[in-house]
Amino acid sequence: EVQLLESGGGLVQPGGSLRLSCAAAGFTFSSYAMCWVRQAPGRGLEWVSAISAGGVGTFYPDSVRGRFTISRDNSKQTLYLQMNSLRAEDTAIYYCAKVIFAPDSSGYHPWNFDYWGQGALVTVSS
Amino acid sequence: EIVMTQSPATLSVSPGERAALSCRASQTVYSNLAWYQQKPGQAPRLLIYGTSTRATGIPARFSGSGSGTEFTLTISNLQSEDFAVYYCQQYHNWPLLFGQGTKLEIK
Repeated sequence: EVQLLESGGGLVQPGGSLRLSCAAAGFTFSSYAMCWVRQAPGRGLEWVSAISAGGVGTFYPDSVRGRFTISRDNSKQTLYLQMNSLRAEDTAIYYCAKVIFAPDSSGYHPWNFDYWGQGALVTVSS
Repeated sequence: EIVMTQSPATLSVSPGERAALSCRASQTVYSNLAWYQQKPGQAPRLLIYGTSTRATGIPARFSGSGSGTEFTLTISNLQSEDFAVYYCQQYHNWPLLFGQGTKLEIK
């Protein structure tokens, strides 16, 4: 059974930093790209970062580029999100999610997500 | 940057009836479109990918159609557990984008 378990959320002051972790189990973690998606209170879904299976490729939207860093440790089956220079608008539930397919022979896989964690709440407030 | 627009924002339908939810992209995403369902207090659940392929374990009453810029999620014979918020997501290019969601409520 695939399991994704986020941790590390909490209350942080504006300008502060926080590191989220996502512990994976039940699948070959090193074969799948992963991402982080957030949801502000009462709002929709916003993708905030993605990383290739091997960890070489990373992707960010403009809203977090330069402030957030996604990484992974395949030996520990864990995904991370380092969040710096946090702002009030970063307040949200942060979900880690697994892409549906491992890369094919050409290295392609679609970036949609078949398993999600339960989420970690990050609150940025003074 | 592609903009994803879902309509309507809220859809009221009676159990047993059919619901059609729309998602429009500001430029073509070809068939690179997924649909998710989210219930209160839960993580999203993948329903459809590649515009029309049901994810594992998704009932046949959920179907997806469309291509290019216009997409539809159709839910037939609505069950009580289907009332939720639905999001479309394009994955043709970066940044990955979700629509703002359609809330499907009981009429």
